[in-house]
Amino acid sequence: AQTVTQSQPEMSVQEAETVTLSCTYDTSENNYYLFWYKQPPSRQMILVIRQEAYKQQNATENRFSVNFQKAAKSFSLKISDSQLGDTAMYFCAFMKQQGAQKLVFGQGTRLTINP
Amino acid sequence: NAGVTQTPKFQVLKTGQSMTLQCAQDMNHEYMSWYRQDPGMGLRLIHYSVGAGITDQGEVPNGYNVSRSTTEDFPLRLLSAAPSQTSVYFCASSTLRGTEAFFGQGTRLTVV
Repeated sequence: AQTVTQSQPEMSVQEAETVTLSCTYDTSENNYYLFWYKQPPSRQMILVIRQEAYKQQNATENRFSVNFQKAAKSFSLKISDSQLGDTAMYFCAFMKQQGAQKLVFGQGTRLTINP
Repeated sequence: NAGVTQTPKFQVLKTGQSMTLQCAQDMNHEYMSWYRQDPGMGLRLIHYSVGAGITDQGEVPNGYNVSRSTTEDFPLRLLSAAPSQTSVYFCASSTLRGTEAFFGQGTRLTVV
């Protein structure tokens, strides 16, 4: 079975700073996907970024980027130039490439951006 | 295009009552699933379906039933609600080969 661990329950930074959220996972699979989801106070689950395990290049989406270390089973999210609208719960998630698209989530990190 | 629609958004139940959480999607997605979100535990998979007439259990299926009679709808039934089922419930859908899950707005359920 796969597990995903987010060891930072809460984080807080000042607006415009850079912040990194940590995520580690455990799996025996070789092909899989990793995700970061954002959940603002509205409760909506929003996909922030996706990484395919077979790709060595780290995914980037505007101010969001990941540091994917496959051997270490680490998948951190970096938010640059943080904005007040980035305040949310962030979930790291894993999905096997083969079979049903079952997502395995971490516990979440509550990120607060202070003005 | 409504995406994934969940109803109701909020519900309070008494212990032992039954209810159905509704989930509908208009994207013709084959795969649908239900998750529950609890503090400090993230989202956990309850049940999922890869198409009409096909359902399977996820990580925490006890106390919940599902059926999939159409591609669009995937209701989640609580036959006898318990306080341990107090949670926020999310329905999600995706294509069978897709990697992006589309989530509904969630249902906050409180069992007293």
